[in-house]
Amino acid sequence: KQEVTQIPAALSVPEGENLVLNCSFTDSAIYNLQWFRQDPGKGLTSLLLIQSSQREQTSGRLNASLDKSSGRSTLYIAASQPGDSATYLCAVKGETSGSRLTFGEGTQLTVNP
Amino acid sequence: EAQVTQNPRYLITVTGKKLTVTCSQNMNHEYMSWYRQDPGLGLRQIYYSMNVEVTDKGDVPEGYKVSRKEKRNFPLILESPSPNQTSLYFCASSFGTGGILGYTFGSGTRLTVV
Repeated sequence: KQEVTQIPAALSVPEGENLVLNCSFTDSAIYNLQWFRQDPGKGLTSLLLIQSSQREQTSGRLNASLDKSSGRSTLYIAASQPGDSATYLCAVKGETSGSRLTFGEGTQLTVNP
Repeated sequence: EAQVTQNPRYLITVTGKKLTVTCSQNMNHEYMSWYRQDPGLGLRQIYYSMNVEVTDKGDVPEGYKVSRKEKRNFPLILESPSPNQTSLYFCASSFGTGGILGYTFGSGTRLTVV
């Protein structure tokens, strides 16, 4: 059974700092991995989708990498801003998990002005 | 704007009173799904639908029903809600049946059953 772990569970940084969020998964047989952002009491906003054949994806100040063989992904946020404060979730679509996404518990990020 | 729309956003109800949470998408996606999010348990899939008239159980289907009569709509029905169904619910959709191009989620419905 696929398990997804995100470390750290919470992170507080000063504005302007570059930071890395980590996601690990136990079964490397995946189709893709998706990073989401969740604001308090709100929905999930898709940030980046990495297919299993890709190594990284970039969008603005965000860069996500995928090392499928080692079961790891990182989300790099450059020059963090207070508006980046949210919970970041990674989700894996496994080859043997049917249609479901397996989510991590998330990293709660606070960027202080 | 391409989106998944859920209604209502917030709902407080009493035990046993039937309710429906609606979900609609405007992207012509074949696949739709419902998840619930609970502290310490993360997001878990309730039901999913590969296409019109095709639905199947996810990981936590007990106490829920769904229907897919039209491609754009996928309502979640709680026929006799109980307090353990208090949760944050999300509807999601994707192109095709495998989610290969990623998933789009709605804004969520916070349900409280008293």
